[in-house]
Amino acid sequence: EDQVTQSPEALRLQEGESSSLNCSYTVSGLRGLFWYRQDPGKGPEFLFTLYSAGEEKEKERLKATLTKKESFLHITAPKPEDSATYLCAGGGSQGNLIFGKGTKLSVKP
Amino acid sequence: EAGVVQSPRYKIIEKKQPVAFWCNPISGHNTLYWYRQNLGQGPELLIRYENEEAVDDSQLPKDRFSAERLKGVDSTLKIQPAELGDSAVYLCASSSYLENTGELFFGEGSRLTVL
Repeated sequence: EDQVTQSPEALRLQEGESSSLNCSYTVSGLRGLFWYRQDPGKGPEFLFTLYSAGEEKEKERLKATLTKKESFLHITAPKPEDSATYLCAGGGSQGNLIFGKGTKLSVKP
Repeated sequence: EAGVVQSPRYKIIEKKQPVAFWCNPISGHNTLYWYRQNLGQGPELLIRYENEEAVDDSQLPKDRFSAERLKGVDSTLKIQPAELGDSAVYLCASSSYLENTGELFFGEGSRLTVL
């Protein structure tokens, strides 16, 4: 069964304190590993797609990496506006996305 | 460019009542998805359309849920009758097969509360 597991469930950081979010996946016929950001009361907003092990993508303070079993979202020197829930999703062979439960990030000034 | 539009944003109903949600995808996007997101959980797929054809409805509770996509554009998701456990956010998303990036564009969601 396809499964995506994210850890930790919640993460509290001080502004400037770098950290990483983890996403482990077992998705048959994986067609991309996706990261989304979701603010309260909003729909998920696309951040990155990674397609092969070793691939890395960056956007401002965020960097996503991919191995054969895991993906990491590294947050460097976060700011309060980075506070959100970060969702990881595996692209299934049937064309849909299998989402994890998300990591709720809080960055305090 | 307009994003995915959903309505209503909020709906409060009593159990056993019917409810319907509407979605207008991004212009030109042929694939449309309905996801359900429970509190503290990730979105879960209910149904996926390619143009007007439902190609994956395996997770749609067909005894009470129905969906349609008229002329391959707008879509409606209906629940009848609603149960307490249906309280959730119903998210619509669309994507373009031609762009082939796999990226889904989500609307802001319709939050349903069943009393």
